[in-house]
Amino acid sequence: KAGVTQTPRYLIKTRGQQVTLSCSPISGHRSVSWYQQTPGQGLQFLFEYFSETQRNKGNFPGRFSGRQFSNSRSEMNVSTLELGDSALYLCASSPGAGAPREQFFGPGTRLTVL
Amino acid sequence: AQTVTQSQPEMSVQEAETVTLSCTYDTSESDYYLFWYKQPPSRQMILVIRQEAYKQQNATENRFSVNFQKAAKSFSLKISDSQLGDAAMYFCAYRAGANSKLTFGKGITLSVRP
Repeated sequence: KAGVTQTPRYLIKTRGQQVTLSCSPISGHRSVSWYQQTPGQGLQFLFEYFSETQRNKGNFPGRFSGRQFSNSRSEMNVSTLELGDSALYLCASSPGAGAPREQFFGPGTRLTVL
Repeated sequence: AQTVTQSQPEMSVQEAETVTLSCTYDTSESDYYLFWYKQPPSRQMILVIRQEAYKQQNATENRFSVNFQKAAKSFSLKISDSQLGDAAMYFCAYRAGANSKLTFGKGITLSVRP
């Protein structure tokens, strides 16, 4: 089985712009979670989508949004980028139902905001 | 709120020796899961080992084992016969039973001396 894929792997944007990141989960997985990783804050949960519905949400401003498509692929959007949004964004997929619902991570998208 | 604490930012071990990485957590839940993830320089998060809170037996995966002390809310990872490829950042993570959100510790950087 192919693993979790994320595109693009690297992005450079300027303040005020918006960005869309994409995540394709492992085949058969219905849950996709997004995490932000920074040196200062570590790994923080953004949100989780399951069957096209947001099932869980972290403490991030409304500039961070996401969606999931019927094929379970997910996109994450950040509007009005700030310098502090520079981070590694990790996507994780899991079957979505039943324990233990282990999460398998993609390679991440490195976003740099100038 | 659940918290995960990894108090040691860095550790070093001699190749072929054994090292223990510490983790404590705080929760009021009775149903939860604990994980150790490895993040090498490639940034790909790899699941090392998983422990279900309801299981008294400590999980083991080849050279990796945990010491799960539920009453003390402690979850340490022991790496036996350390190899150069074990050098990475290691994160302890917690997940409440019905929730997909992973709460991570700050991580510990493990170096392996040849």
